[in-house]
Amino acid sequence: DAKTTQPTSMDCAEGRAANLPCNHSTISGNEYVYWYRQIHSQGPQYIIHGLKNNETNEMASLIITEDRKSSTLILPHATLRDTAVYYCIVRGNEHYRDDKIIFGKGTRLHILP
Amino acid sequence: DTAVSQTPKYLVTQMGNDKSIKCEQNLGHDTMYWYKQDSKKFLKIMFSYNNKELIINETVPNRFSPKSPDKAHLNLHINSLELGDSAVYFCASSPDYYEQYFGPGTRLTVT
Repeated sequence: DAKTTQPTSMDCAEGRAANLPCNHSTISGNEYVYWYRQIHSQGPQYIIHGLKNNETNEMASLIITEDRKSSTLILPHATLRDTAVYYCIVRGNEHYRDDKIIFGKGTRLHILP
Repeated sequence: DTAVSQTPKYLVTQMGNDKSIKCEQNLGHDTMYWYKQDSKKFLKIMFSYNNKELIINETVPNRFSPKSPDKAHLNLHINSLELGDSAVYFCASSPDYYEQYFGPGTRLTVT
């Protein structure tokens, strides 16, 4: 079972920042937070991951609370192409090579023109 | 240039047949995966190979057999296909455990 809880769906206006929340209250110390997204009829796409510090890359920013029980993925300037299902995933570090990515139901993000 | 490719993109077949789905990655990654996404859109891992060695083998019927002829290929062979095998199958590869790069998927329909 997925170790995360996400809203089923969200809307965001084009050009605005999309903030996608995720709860992972049972996360353990060696587990990372990952975000993937799946655009309709395509394979999932890796976005970002982090352990406890905030992370930023060319796609998004990941803000993890100090207690690590929740996080927020931020798409700074959402475009129509960002419409997708976004998955928040908790997974152990590389020492657990047989640890799996478990996809939950994700958040369906609609970017509105 | 295609990073992770799968063939075929669509596969329609009858119950009881044996079929294969091929996956190739040109990224030089050591680890490859197979996932299944069912009609309810749940995405679940089936197998993982690292340098041709099986790492993860989820509870899938033994009618499903992955084969890795080399590091760049991970094929999925399915025997005695059943209606419940209808799904989209995704191949993925990973350079470093953290990021996974997914292929475009193969939509399998069993009639």
